[in-house]
Amino acid sequence: AQSVTQLGSHVSVSEGALVLLRCNYSSSVPPYLFWYVQYPNQGLQLLLKYTSAATLVKGINGFEAEFKKSETSFHLTKPSAHMSDAAEYFCAVSEGFGNEKLTFGTGTRLTIIP
Amino acid sequence: NAGVTQTPKFQVLKTGQSMTLQCAQDMNHNSMYWYRQDPGMGLRLIYYSASEGTTDKGEVPNGYNVSRLNKREFSLRLESAAPSQTSVYFCASMKSDRGSSGANVLTFGAGSRLTVL
Repeated sequence: AQSVTQLGSHVSVSEGALVLLRCNYSSSVPPYLFWYVQYPNQGLQLLLKYTSAATLVKGINGFEAEFKKSETSFHLTKPSAHMSDAAEYFCAVSEGFGNEKLTFGTGTRLTIIP
Repeated sequence: NAGVTQTPKFQVLKTGQSMTLQCAQDMNHNSMYWYRQDPGMGLRLIYYSASEGTTDKGEVPNGYNVSRLNKREFSLRLESAAPSQTSVYFCASMKSDRGSSGANVLTFGAGSRLTVL
């Protein structure tokens, strides 16, 4: 069975500081991994995805994530936080193509301090 | 492009009442999903439909039924609502064609906020 653990339900960073949101996964087969973002009162939208190609994945809005098989991690980073990055972020895993079920983590709410 | 459209956006029910949440997508996606979102619990899968004519239970199916009416539409029904079903419900769809850049990527609706008193 697949699962995702997001460490830290709330993260606060200063504007211009590094953003690091942590995600660890469990999967019985090589996984597909995703980060989604949810702005207030909206649905989720895809930030980036890993599907067994390059281990460093670049997404929208300057975010990137690195797949580390040895650590079963897929942490999300951004070098310099903007006020507009304030949102809730969800990591998700699926067990590759053909498995249409995505399992989501519990989410991390990112607050940006002016 | 409308994407994924859910109705209604807000609903208040009394315990024991029934209702149906409607969802339609115009992207010709094969797979459709219903999730519920609760504080501190992330998104949990209620039911999904990998293709027209098929439905499968997710993590939290009890108290819900679904219908994949056609390729575009996937409805979620609460037959006898309970306060524990107070939540925000999201419909999503996925293009599951091998080799497509959109494969395995969920497109979400804006959500339906349901309160059961």
